[in-house]
Amino acid sequence: AQRVTQPEKLLSVFKGAPVELKCNYSYSGSPELFWYVQYSRQRLQLLLRHISRESIKGFTADLNKGETSFHLKKPFAQEEDSAMYYCALSGRSGATNKLIFGTGTLLAVQP
Amino acid sequence: GAGVSQSPSNKVTEKGKDVELRCDPISGHTALYWYRQSLGQGLEFLIYFQGNSAPDKSGLPSDRFSAERTGGSVSTLTIQRTQQEDSAVYLCASSLFGGSSYTFGSGTRLTVV
Repeated sequence: AQRVTQPEKLLSVFKGAPVELKCNYSYSGSPELFWYVQYSRQRLQLLLRHISRESIKGFTADLNKGETSFHLKKPFAQEEDSAMYYCALSGRSGATNKLIFGTGTLLAVQP
Repeated sequence: GAGVSQSPSNKVTEKGKDVELRCDPISGHTALYWYRQSLGQGLEFLIYFQGNSAPDKSGLPSDRFSAERTGGSVSTLTIQRTQQEDSAVYLCASSLFGGSSYTFGSGTRLTVV
């Protein structure tokens, strides 16, 4: 079964501390993984995707197929990073390229 | 339009009533998705439209839920005989040619009392 697991509902860190938001997945095939972010009172938006291998707002994520993980990392958290973060996997069901989301992790960066 | 537009932004309805939620995708996007966002549940896939193909309705939780997309553009999600467990934020997203980069609307917060 295709599944995305985000084990932490809430992650609280101090400004300047490193951040790692965990994501594990279950998928039979070659997955496409994404991180979406939702800031307070804003709509859900794409943060990054693994095929781009880019750093957005200082965040990076590496796909580890051996551990089936796609953890989101940032070396120094900023207060403006406080938001809800969703890990997502692109699964193909017939012709549907639908995204399967995890339950999300709320990141709270304390001053 | 410039983005995905959803209306209404908030809807409070009495248990047992029917509701209609509207989504206007980005112009030119052929793929349209509906998701439900509940506290602690993440985003639950509901239904997917791609061009003129038959929609993927595999995520609809019951036969009280239905959706249509007219003219390959605007979509309406209808919930009949609403129940309290239907209370959630309903999100619409569109993408170009069914690609994986979605643009989400701001959602409709449905409260069933």
